[in-house]
Amino acid sequence: KNEVEQSPQNLTAQEGEFITINCSYSVGISALHWLQQHPGGGIVSLFMLSSGKKKHGRLIATINIQEKHSSLHITASHPRDSAVYICADVRRDMRFGAGTRLTVKP
Amino acid sequence: NAGVTQTPKFRILKIGQSMTLQCAQDMNHNYMYWYRQDPGMGLKLIYYSVGAGITDKGEVPNGYNVSRSTTEDFPLRLELAAPSQTSVYFCASSKQGESYEQYFGPGTRLTVT
Repeated sequence: KNEVEQSPQNLTAQEGEFITINCSYSVGISALHWLQQHPGGGIVSLFMLSSGKKKHGRLIATINIQEKHSSLHITASHPRDSAVYICADVRRDMRFGAGTRLTVKP
Repeated sequence: NAGVTQTPKFRILKIGQSMTLQCAQDMNHNYMYWYRQDPGMGLKLIYYSVGAGITDKGEVPNGYNVSRSTTEDFPLRLELAAPSQTSVYFCASSKQGESYEQYFGPGTRLTVT
């Protein structure tokens, strides 16, 4: 069983919709990493957070350490947000979720 | 800055061949990582390094070796390629440790036939 679980696996939305991607982990961690993998394969870091909430443009990430749960929200989604979103628990031997494939249709 | 660079971009190997995947970063980052990503699966950590001369195993180290003789370079060696090593390999680096964001290279797509 993967120690980091993401849901949903796949998500299709219409442009403008509010998106939520969830991440749950089973082992206590100090921080969680959200990544975005573009259709071409490149990976970029979105957020690193250990408590509360962080916001960058239309992206918001929240984490609840006690409940071992984090969410990534996208407001006013756009087709260019189409990508795979990956969460990872942050420790020396990082463990990654399988990713959520988001498709935003115009 | 070029960031994290990886070579080659693509490679096809025959079973039993060996090769080295190159990774370099010019951001003076102490930490470097090698991951593999199988189709439909999450990234898995192969090896990591916290500084020159120091390396440690990740989740899936079998069949691979690494070295870190300089801060900039972190090559990954496959000694006897097997079909199970067909994957996309990503190198990443971070300034300090696990609480710092990681910067990823563009990846190397390896096929072993």
